[in-house]
Amino acid sequence: QVQLVQSGSELKKPGASVKVSCKASGYTFTNYAMHWVRQAPGQGLEWMGWINTNTGNPTYAQGFTGRFVFSLDTSVTTAYLQISSLKAEDTALYYCARKGTQDFDYWGQGTLVTVSS
Amino acid sequence: DIVMTQTPLSSPVTLGQPASISCRSSQSLVHSDGNTYLSWLQQRPGQPPRLLIYKISNRFSGVPDRFSGSGAGTDFTLKISRVEADDVGVYYCTQATQFPRTFGQGTKVEIK
Repeated sequence: QVQLVQSGSELKKPGASVKVSCKASGYTFTNYAMHWVRQAPGQGLEWMGWINTNTGNPTYAQGFTGRFVFSLDTSVTTAYLQISSLKAEDTALYYCARKGTQDFDYWGQGTLVTVSS
Repeated sequence: DIVMTQTPLSSPVTLGQPASISCRSSQSLVHSDGNTYLSWLQQRPGQPPRLLIYKISNRFSGVPDRFSGSGAGTDFTLKISRVEADDVGVYYCTQATQFPRTFGQGTKVEIK
């Protein structure tokens, strides 16, 4: 069965970096792209962008350029989200979600990133 | 960008009664391939979202048949025929017709 398992919660200081992982299993990883979605505390869903898992080509939504980087390690069927120069407003749940036969068909459990001094 | 607007934002429902959520897009969601890529997601408290309905009216794997979707063009509806306790959560519409992907604000379904 399709599973996306994300790395655990992170507590970081402002200015630091964080790397969130999303380990995929149950399907051929390179056949389907991966979305990244942010959910600030008590708020709705915000699309950050997606990465083509076949070519490694990322696409970033407006507002998620510069400090946000999507990457892959296809040898371990894992997608990554790295955020640098963290700010308090980056505090949120970050989800990976497969762009499968249907968009957003499977989701990771979410990774809480907290930025606090 | 396509703006997705949901109404209502909160829906208190009696167990066993129906519930209905509307979603309106700022432009037509009909893709050049003829499909309309409007989906509905459910997010139970403390859980990640999950796909309920895709392409307006198709239930995703494992979704109970009390959930149904309808609509066309820019106006869409999610209906729950008889609300159960398990249905409590926030429901989002989302479009995959264009980039960037966009979501509605979410509608909170709660039991009266």
